[in-house]
Amino acid sequence: GAGVSQSPSNKVTEKGKDVELRCDPISGHTALYWYRQSLGQGLEFLIYFQGNSAPDKSGLPSDRFSAERTGGSVSTLTIQRTQQEDSAVYLCASSLRAPGETQYFGPGTRLLVL
Amino acid sequence: KNQVEQSPQSLIILEGKNCTLQCNYTVSPFSNLRWYKQDTGRGPVSLTIMTFSENTKSNGRYTATLDADTKQSSLHITASQLSDSASYICVVSAGYKLSFGAGTTVTVRA
Repeated sequence: GAGVSQSPSNKVTEKGKDVELRCDPISGHTALYWYRQSLGQGLEFLIYFQGNSAPDKSGLPSDRFSAERTGGSVSTLTIQRTQQEDSAVYLCASSLRAPGETQYFGPGTRLLVL
Repeated sequence: KNQVEQSPQSLIILEGKNCTLQCNYTVSPFSNLRWYKQDTGRGPVSLTIMTFSENTKSNGRYTATLDADTKQSSLHITASQLSDSASYICVVSAGYKLSFGAGTTVTVRA
């Protein structure tokens, strides 16, 4: 595709349910990143993938959060047993190779946990 | 702990006027500094990128400055247009780790 795409665009779920967020990076981009943006806050780094491996998972807020990437392309961020404080916009970005390059962001998934 | 502070938090300007947004950072080591524009409901889009040795970078009506000694950057918007209404985010890079400011919300009114 022409840009980074994410799905779903919006997700409303009940507290305690699991959710999966999907990211399709720009074709050929080897680096992929997940961020969380809470209302009125700056973006918060969650995890970085280089290919299918995640050299840095330090931003994941708890063990309820996990992510995987397959085929060096699509990535899925999973939140188990969602809590209300998980409500935020989850943004995915990709860059061609090196982490210091410009990152191209997807439109985000707006998650609301009731 | 946020190492990138932006000001003001929000501002309203009339179409055609200029404005300047500020960014102070404490991120170290420093790789580069980017300004992103984030339209409502969209992901951020890169406007400018500056490395340690660059003082000024322009992108159309957007001009960014960087003072690496004082760790300050500014984004100047000239002759604002309604389409400039957005959140402007200062992003400082230390390797692959990005530190994001909370953003300045700019509203341009006719």
